[in-house]
Amino acid sequence: DTGVSQDPRHKITKRGQNVTFRCDPISEHNRLYWYRQTLGQGPEFLTYFQNEAQLEKSRLLSDRFSAERPKGSFSTLEIQRTEQGDSAMYLCAATSGSVNTGELFFGEGSRLTVL
Amino acid sequence: GQQLNQSPQSMFIQEGEDVSMNCTSSSIFNTWLWYKQDPGEGPVLLIALYKAGELTSNGRLTAQFGITRKDSFLNISASIPSDVGIYFCAGLANFGNEKLTFGTGTRLTIIP
Repeated sequence: DTGVSQDPRHKITKRGQNVTFRCDPISEHNRLYWYRQTLGQGPEFLTYFQNEAQLEKSRLLSDRFSAERPKGSFSTLEIQRTEQGDSAMYLCAATSGSVNTGELFFGEGSRLTVL
Repeated sequence: GQQLNQSPQSMFIQEGEDVSMNCTSSSIFNTWLWYKQDPGEGPVLLIALYKAGELTSNGRLTAQFGITRKDSFLNISASIPSDVGIYFCAGLANFGNEKLTFGTGTRLTIIP
């Protein structure tokens, strides 16, 4: 158990629908990341929160994507008007400390399939 | 986005064999890490390396941080069935940088 829970584990949706994923890290994890992993590839960085502040976003995060961490605890990742290219595993990772060492605790991921 | 190059892409070995895989980059990384991912799960950290030339072990796993800072190697000795999975290298360009860059992965399969 990494202390990072994600929900739902699987989501199937039709193109054009909105979807939301949730990540719950343990309270000690002040740093929270979202990554996207497509089939046969390694995870790709999407965005980073330190407590409730979103401090970095990747160019991969188009304007259809939005992430929040309102109270510095759980986080949500929303995709609006989904496209087939959004089909992927969305991974949440978290850790504690003031500096990123790369040592992240990943959740089990939320797999999105867009039909 | 940028991904590190890993080789081989896949390996088929017999239980008990040793395994070697590597990861290369066109740019320098100041931190190298190795993660393992089982099917349907998130990656789990195996080893972290913070100094060029560093050699670090974790049980049967040994990893090295290349002198050029552009590569890293992972060795697994005396493989067992639970070693099956996908191994990813990952790099941080600068200590404190938030973006972890992952490799393309090496899939390890053990032939019965």
